[in-house]
Amino acid sequence: DAGVIQSPRHEVTEMGQEVTLRCKPISGHDYLFWYRQTMMRGLELLIYFNNNVPIDDSGMPEDRFSAKMPNASFSTLKIQPSEPRDSAVYFCASRTGRSYGYTFGSGTRLTVV
Amino acid sequence: DQQVKQNSPSLSVQEGRISILNCDYTNSMFDYFLWYKKYPAEGPTFLISISSIKDKNEDGRFTVFLNKSAKHLSLHIVPSQPGDSAVYFCAASAMINDYKLSFGAGTTVTVRA
Repeated sequence: DAGVIQSPRHEVTEMGQEVTLRCKPISGHDYLFWYRQTMMRGLELLIYFNNNVPIDDSGMPEDRFSAKMPNASFSTLKIQPSEPRDSAVYFCASRTGRSYGYTFGSGTRLTVV
Repeated sequence: DQQVKQNSPSLSVQEGRISILNCDYTNSMFDYFLWYKKYPAEGPTFLISISSIKDKNEDGRFTVFLNKSAKHLSLHIVPSQPGDSAVYFCAASAMINDYKLSFGAGTTVTVRA
């Protein structure tokens, strides 16, 4: 099992540009979560999906952020337009409905200059 | 609104001694608590957990204590080893909240040789 796979590992972009982060969950996991890590707030839940359906997006900072899960093996988090304050590490995690524990990907470090 | 709080951003301990990490929560509906460990450039990995029906859970060098009346939990690492140097996140979950994990801001542990 390759675990949760995120790409890219690092992304540097200019303010105003569109950024797309990608995630492949563990096969068979029916929940997928997007988290953002910052120094001040630690790990913040942005949005999560159950069986590819968005369940709670109340953590998405603003309309510039959007997330999709077109199928059980792929999800994207898009920021458009990006701003310097979006700079953070973004983690994707997945789990099965029967488990409390999540499996995290290695994260994408986003830097907006 | 942070429902899980780790008030100590960092902890330095000598190798062989005990590390004690603390975590407080505000939501009385939380019924499951977890600790995650994170190394640089990697995603958080599950370390140990405890159900709200217990007050202690032990796994090797790691023990988690839960005080529900005080809404407080702690992680003890005995003895501390250099490989324990990492960021530790406290997390809490509620079955009625679809098992979403709420994380604290993390505590960076440095074990000195």
